[in-house]
Amino acid sequence: AQSVTQPDIHITVSEGASLELRCNYSYGATPYLFWYVQSPGQGLQLLLKYFSGDTLVQGIKGFEAEFKRSQSSFNLRKPSVHWSDAAEYFCAVGLTTDSWGKLQFGAGTQVVVTP
Amino acid sequence: GAGVSQSPRYKVAKRGQDVALRCDPISGHVSLFWYQQALGQGPEFLTYFQNEAQLDKSGLPSDRFFAERPEGSVSTLKIQRTQQEDSAVYLCASSLERASGGLTGELFFGEGSRLTVL
Repeated sequence: AQSVTQPDIHITVSEGASLELRCNYSYGATPYLFWYVQSPGQGLQLLLKYFSGDTLVQGIKGFEAEFKRSQSSFNLRKPSVHWSDAAEYFCAVGLTTDSWGKLQFGAGTQVVVTP
Repeated sequence: GAGVSQSPRYKVAKRGQDVALRCDPISGHVSLFWYQQALGQGPEFLTYFQNEAQLDKSGLPSDRFFAERPEGSVSTLKIQRTQQEDSAVYLCASSLERASGGLTGELFFGEGSRLTVL
């Protein structure tokens, strides 16, 4: 069965420190991969996506992610975290190659940023 | 409007009541999706519209759930005879492009409608 796993439910990071959020997927075909962020009182916002090509993807707000086919992973990174990065982050996979909007989401990782 | 608008933002229903949740997508957006997000979980796909056509409703959990988008703009998700397990945040998302072969792959989400069934 297809699945998206975010192993870390909760991460605490100091402001200015680096951040890495893990995402693993189980999917037969070449997936469409996404990272979304959900801040309190706001809708989900797309950070970045991977469809094909360069496996290192740059996104908004200084985030990047790397697709590693051999590890079935699409980890999200940011070199220096800001207090405004505190939010919940969701990794998602496009379920079918002809319907990328039909997404399967992971359970999310809550990020807390400390001073 | 500037973004996807959902109403009501909060709805409390007694078990057995019918509810209707509305989504106003971004003007001109072709694709519209409904997702259900239970507490502590990621969103789960419910259904998808391209204009007024409902192309995929495979995620609707039961025949108590019904969605429509009659004019290809506003959409309504209706839940009949609500049950406690229906308690969740219902998210609507829209995209300028068709969900097949789209170039940007970006969904724009509303803030959601939180349904609590007592």
